[in-house]
Amino acid sequence: DSGVTQTPKHLITATGQRVTLRCSPRSGDLSVYWYQQSLDQGLQFLIQYYNGEERAKGNILERFSAQQFPDLHSELNLSSLELGDSALYFCASSVALVHYNEQFFGPGTRLTVL
Amino acid sequence: DQQVKQNSPSLSVQEGRISILNCDYTNSMFDYFLWYKKYPAEGPTFLISISSIKDKNEDGRFTVFLNKSAKHLSLHIVPSQPGDSAVYFCAATHNAGNMLTFGGGTRLMVKP
Repeated sequence: DSGVTQTPKHLITATGQRVTLRCSPRSGDLSVYWYQQSLDQGLQFLIQYYNGEERAKGNILERFSAQQFPDLHSELNLSSLELGDSALYFCASSVALVHYNEQFFGPGTRLTVL
Repeated sequence: DQQVKQNSPSLSVQEGRISILNCDYTNSMFDYFLWYKKYPAEGPTFLISISSIKDKNEDGRFTVFLNKSAKHLSLHIVPSQPGDSAVYFCAATHNAGNMLTFGGGTRLMVKP
């Protein structure tokens, strides 16, 4: 158990819909990362937050957004869903911003768009 | 443009023998490398890391080697155990942005 929790575990929805994925980092971790794992793209970085502020963006679509709340939990919002958005979405957390801190991953949310 | 590549999608090894997983990278800015292990229905779990100032890091049965001139790293598992069967991801990062860039993964199967 990494200490990172993600809900829901599974999500099935239809094209055009909007969903919210939730992540609670390990106790004491200020940095939260979101990654997407799809069959054809592997594990890809989406976005990072540190202590409530956006710090880095990867290949995140404009239809996707995220935020980190004062209690440090984070939410990833996916809107106007398309079939290709079906993937595993992982949240990870680390203590600080320094890049040599290992990131601890949650169990993931499996999103299926029908 | 894949900056981190794991060219072997799968590897099969006999229990007790050495498993060698390879990873190549192209971005010279990468200065910290990590290996993660992933079981089905779970998130990746950190295994071992190495800084670019080193060429070897050892932790129990796991050793990571880094060849900066070749932009190549490898993970050695000795001896391999059936419980090591999982997908192994190589990842890299640099101080200009501490997000991880992952390779495509190698599925390791250790046969009893």
